[in-house]
Amino acid sequence: NAGVTQTPKFQVLKTGQSMTLQCAQDMNHEYMSWYRQDPGMGLRLIHYSVGAGITDQGEVPNGYNVSRSTTEDFPLRLLSAAPSQTSVYFCASSYSFGGETQYFGPGTRLLVL
Amino acid sequence: GEDVEQSLFLSVREGDSSVINCTYTDSSSTYLYWYKQEPGAGLQLLTYIFSNMDMKQDQRLTVLLNKKDKHLSLRIADTQTGDSAIYFCAESIGYDMRFGAGTRLTVKP
Repeated sequence: NAGVTQTPKFQVLKTGQSMTLQCAQDMNHEYMSWYRQDPGMGLRLIHYSVGAGITDQGEVPNGYNVSRSTTEDFPLRLLSAAPSQTSVYFCASSYSFGGETQYFGPGTRLLVL
Repeated sequence: GEDVEQSLFLSVREGDSSVINCTYTDSSSTYLYWYKQEPGAGLQLLTYIFSNMDMKQDQRLTVLLNKKDKHLSLRIADTQTGDSAIYFCAESIGYDMRFGAGTRLTVKP
């Protein structure tokens, strides 16, 4: 198993550009989520999905879209990048939710100029 | 704002015990977690405790939960230099998870 993979590892964008952060898992996990990690603030949940075709907002969803067309993939889209979206983004997955190990990807470091 | 609070830094000597503390605010939290993050890596689940438990022990790790005070602690016995990392406390409420800002543990030889 590759576990949770994320691409790219690092990205620089200009304000107003759009991009998609990719996340994939090969463990047949139903629950997937996206977090952003900012210095001194811990992780904050952006969006999550409890299965293919089902997504919902987390704590900080504004400026981000997600979709879950397959169990394996959960891409995160930045529609119009802003400097406030400079952060490290982590994707995570687990078989279900609550008391389950969440497996985290290695992260994508995003810089918006 | 932060729903989960932790002190930012802790420094101990190798072989000593480390105690990392956390307070949370939502009494409806069902699970409480401790994660470890090493430099440049994602988060690794260390242990979790269900909200109706007071204590959970797993080898060198002991988790204590005081629901009345909404206080969670992680004790690492015989702390080693390899334990140096950032430790995050987190609570789950439904499908949402809220993390603290993390405690940077430094272990001195």
